[in-house]
Amino acid sequence: QQQVKQSPQSLIVQKGGISIINCAYENTAFDYFPWYQQFPGKGPALLIAIRPDVSEKKEGRFTISFNKSAKQFSLHIMDSQPGDSATYFCAAIDNYGQNFVFGPGTRLSVLP
Amino acid sequence: ETGVTQTPRHLVMGMTNKKSLKCEQHLGHNAMYWYKQSAKKPLELMFVYNFKEQTENNSVPSRFSPECPNSSHLFLHLHTLQPEDSALYLCASSQVSEVTRSPLHFGNGTRLTVT
Repeated sequence: QQQVKQSPQSLIVQKGGISIINCAYENTAFDYFPWYQQFPGKGPALLIAIRPDVSEKKEGRFTISFNKSAKQFSLHIMDSQPGDSATYFCAAIDNYGQNFVFGPGTRLSVLP
Repeated sequence: ETGVTQTPRHLVMGMTNKKSLKCEQHLGHNAMYWYKQSAKKPLELMFVYNFKEQTENNSVPSRFSPECPNSSHLFLHLHTLQPEDSALYLCASSQVSEVTRSPLHFGNGTRLTVT
């Protein structure tokens, strides 16, 4: 029940295209859902996050869509650029927990 | 100066060695974490220190020993490791209160290879 599932494992997108990464969870106590971006040789960095009281959050080219009833959330990267090539992790935590539960990651490659 | 600094960046050690990983955070946070990152696996939480007290030990083998002397510094002492312990070890910090929690801020990790 603590698991966060993430798909796809890897994704190849042409420059200018839309990248979509999906995550699903079981624990209904989760109330905070961040996305992290990790470049080779670097630690994960917070990209964007959402709470379940909203269905969508947009920051620049990055949008989180959240479906509370389906217990799913997704990251959309509009106008994908080669510089977006990285590994993306979704995560979840409940307000009483110590442990952010991470998905296994999606390796995104944006072709020039 | 990055928010969370880890040293060394790379470490190669034999199975009988003793070494330590160091982490320092400059964000004024009150909680620090050790995570293990292995290829094609989710990030695994190892230890959590909240207000310098260890609040979680995620069934980590005793060959890993954490130390948190203050809210800004965190160590991971290693001894008699196994080859399967080779991984990227990430330190993170966050601000935790009774009503909210900030996101995790990660360092760039220590790439550990056990030979």
